Amino acid sequence: SQTIHQWPATLVQPVGSPLSLECTVEGTSNPNLYWYRQAAGRGLQLLFYSVGIGQISSEVPQNLSASRPQDRQFILSSKKLLLSDSGFYLCAWSLGESYEQYFGPGTRLTVT
Amino acid sequence: GESVGLHLPTLSVQEGDNSIINCAYSNSASDYFIWYKQESGKGPQFIIDIRSNMDKRQGQRVTVLLNKTVKHLSLQIAATQPGDSAVYFCAENRVSGGYQKVTFGIGTKLQVIP
Repeated sequence: SQTIHQWPATLVQPVGSPLSLECTVEGTSNPNLYWYRQAAGRGLQLLFYSVGIGQISSEVPQNLSASRPQDRQFILSSKKLLLSDSGFYLCAWSLGESYEQYFGPGTRLTVT
Repeated sequence: GESVGLHLPTLSVQEGDNSIINCAYSNSASDYFIWYKQESGKGPQFIIDIRSNMDKRQGQRVTVLLNKTVKHLSLQIAATQPGDSAVYFCAENRVSGGYQKVTFGIGTKLQVIP
């Protein structure tokens, strides 16, 4: 069966510090991968998606970046965090042309 | 612009009653509409979907209705249980740039009163 992991589960970082969140998927190959951000009491905002290794598309311009160094690994990064980067970050995967996405447990980021 | 939104941010329902969560959308080109359930501190989970050429689809205790005339989507939960307490998101799906783009609405928080 397929599983998706995210870490860390929670993170508190000062403004201006770097960020690296990791997401890995097990039990499937060549998944489509997604990063979403969910602000408190808000909906899901798509940040990045990837259909293959090294292929990253950005939905919203910001100080975040994403990379996919391996087929089932998706990394969200920032060189300098802003207060507005606080939120719940969710990684998700889907297969092929299926629109059904499977979400990870999320990382709660607080920028202080 | 394109958007998927919800009429009610919070819905309180007595245990055993039926719940109806509503959603309005603006993009007529969507292929599917989807409902997700997000429990506190967890990622969303797929509940049910409906193809854009359908009006109604039933699952286990849930029914989704689609009214394309007024661009309205609803999720009905029968005999609401405490475990149904969560935030429910409607989402629309369409092919964009060669991939399945899913746009989520803001969400409705369902509170079940025991």
